[in-house]
Amino acid sequence: GEDVEQSLFLSVREGDSSVINCTYTDSSSTYLYWYKQEPGAGLQLLTYIFSNMDMKQDQRLTVLLNKKDKHLSLRIADTQTGDSAIYFCAETHEFSGGYNKLIFGAGTRLAVHP
Amino acid sequence: DAGITQSPRYKITETGRQVTLMCHQTWSHSYMFWYRQDLGHGLRLIYYSAAADITDKGEVPDGYVVSRSKTENFPLTLESATRSQTSVYFCASRGTGSSTDTQYFGPGTRLTVL
Repeated sequence: GEDVEQSLFLSVREGDSSVINCTYTDSSSTYLYWYKQEPGAGLQLLTYIFSNMDMKQDQRLTVLLNKKDKHLSLRIADTQTGDSAIYFCAETHEFSGGYNKLIFGAGTRLAVHP
Repeated sequence: DAGITQSPRYKITETGRQVTLMCHQTWSHSYMFWYRQDLGHGLRLIYYSAAADITDKGEVPDGYVVSRSKTENFPLTLESATRSQTSVYFCASRGTGSSTDTQYFGPGTRLTVL
C-alpha cells in the first residue's frame, strides 16, 4: 500500500543539527522529496534525491537514502530560527494514465528555540 | 503575477452552500492538482488534471467537482459544503518537461464550513 510515515514533531536548539526521518513504502519511487511549509504558506520543494543515490548534499541540507530499509532522512546543519516550519517527505507512486502522483507524509513540525 | 495563485485565501461558508475555490497558474503547466491538508493526514489528493478538459479523481474526490476549460485555471467546487470539508486546500501544478515529478504549490485557501 501507499504510506509515508514521519514523526510529527521535533524540537532543536538554534545552532544544533536537526534530523527529520521518514519511511516510505513504494520501492519503485524514482525520486523522493522533501518539501517545506512555512506558516500560512504553501509547500515549497526543498530538495529531492534520485533513488539510485545514497546521499545528496546541498549547503546545510543533507539527504540520506537507505533503499533497503525504505528510510529517508533530512539533516539540517546549524539550524536557524528561520528553519522552523513543517517538513513533508514525499514519494512518487505510479498512477493511472502514466502520471506519477506524490504521496505525502503527515509532516514533521520543526521548532527551533534559542 | 507569475506563479500559482489561489483565491480566496480565506472563506467561511455554511453547510449546504456551494463554494468555488479558484486556482490560476502562469507557467502553462499541463498538470494541475487539488489537495486538502488536515491535521494528522498530510496532503490528500482530491482531483488532478493532465491537460485542459482532462480531469480525474484522486484519493478523496467525494463532494467535489472540478473543471479545466483553460490550461491556466483549475477551479474546485464544493457543490453542497459539509463541516467535514473544513480544511486548507492547496492547488499545485507540474510541467511535463522535467524528469522529476516536482509540483509547485499555491499559498492555500483556508475554508471553514459552519
